[in-house]
Amino acid sequence: QQPVQSPQAVILREGEDAVINCSSSKALYSVHWYRQKHGEAPVFLMILLKGGEQKGHEKISASFNEKKQQSSLYLTASQLSYSGTYFCGTRAINNAGNMLTFGGGTRLMVKP
Amino acid sequence: DAGITQSPRHKVTETGTPVTLRCHQTENHRYMYWYRQDPGHGLRLIHYSYGVKDTDKGEVSDGYSVSRSKTEDFLLTLESATSSQTSVYFCAISELAGGGEQYFGPGTRLTVT
Repeated sequence: QQPVQSPQAVILREGEDAVINCSSSKALYSVHWYRQKHGEAPVFLMILLKGGEQKGHEKISASFNEKKQQSSLYLTASQLSYSGTYFCGTRAINNAGNMLTFGGGTRLMVKP
Repeated sequence: DAGITQSPRHKVTETGTPVTLRCHQTENHRYMYWYRQDPGHGLRLIHYSYGVKDTDKGEVSDGYSVSRSKTEDFLLTLESATSSQTSVYFCAISELAGGGEQYFGPGTRLTVT
């Protein structure tokens, strides 16, 4: 079952902050975040592991709440280059194949 | 950028015809994946490989088969294409199991008429 991302879409002005959420019904080992610009391939942002620390990438950081099986991606002081679709991928603890299951994505548009 | 290419990049085919998509990597990564991407569904795993001749099904494998005879090549075959298989197909590679950091190819846009 896919993780659920919210919101589905968000529009920001340059410099504003945004939070994207990812929620799973399964016990998770890790959460992975990717960004995809229109017409391009997804690009890896970061991995959050069970029992691990909050991660950061430029002005983008994320957290992983193991009790709630939720992860949040924080974009601060957004830039035009942050526009794109953000996907979370989850790896469940009891997943024999250890593969990722991706959410439906959150479209982020940053305007000048 | 990771050395991963896909061919063809665009293809239009008719219902009922066989189609093979190729993924080629120069990174010598053990794990390779085929995903399809459709609006609202994100990326859905079709099949993956954990070594030469070692493959397994993903969540949407019906109607697809794969083969990996060399480390660098992973082929996805639609035995008899249907309109529901119109999609953008991405290949990805990773060094580690469980996804790790996956590197995606540029994608193949397939249209089945």
